[in-house]
Amino acid sequence: EAGVVQSPRYKIIEKKQPVAFWCNPISGHNTLYWYRQNLGQGPELLIRYENEEAVDDSQLPKDRFSAERLKGVDSTLKIQPAELGDSAVYLCASSLDSSGANVLTFGAGSRLTVL
Amino acid sequence: DAKTTQPPSMDCAEGRAANLPCNHSTISGNEYVYWYRQIHSQGPQYIIHGLKNNETNEMASLIITEDRKSSTLILPHATLRDTAVYYCISRATYNTDKLIFGTGTRLQVFP
Repeated sequence: EAGVVQSPRYKIIEKKQPVAFWCNPISGHNTLYWYRQNLGQGPELLIRYENEEAVDDSQLPKDRFSAERLKGVDSTLKIQPAELGDSAVYLCASSLDSSGANVLTFGAGSRLTVL
Repeated sequence: DAKTTQPPSMDCAEGRAANLPCNHSTISGNEYVYWYRQIHSQGPQYIIHGLKNNETNEMASLIITEDRKSSTLILPHATLRDTAVYYCISRATYNTDKLIFGTGTRLQVFP
């Protein structure tokens, strides 16, 4: 079974440029998460989807970040325009649902460097 | 969700048991303890979780104290591939979206 697939693995851009990350969760997983991980820190939740609905985006910087999960499967996270402080690893995770003793499966992440 | 405290780093000899402690003194009755690990350049990987009882799976054992204020993750025979950052996380069943990671314990397994 394929795990959570993310692309690109690495992206280098100049500040003020746009960037997008794509995530394909495990088949059948209804809940999808985007996390951001700064160097030396643990991952921090940006947004959580239940199917196509964003049910928790309280930590998403909405002035420059956006996300979508149109058909309740794949998801895209966009940053426009990027700032130097956005350099981080962006992790996507999925789970069957968000109830009970839920286990998240993470992708390998997309490492963003903003110059 | 309860805050967890872990030592920043630990060493372990290959083949020996690695015992990783976690303090969660403010944990409430409905909060599970989860352990994930993150190998360099990979996403976090689920290891094990528990509520009250000790748990064991093919990867590790989880020992939770009777008062639930602390727990220990045990890797019975550590290998070089177990070198990673290990995260101890408490997570309430009613607030299951908030998997809050700390900074974890960096485990170095040496030959």
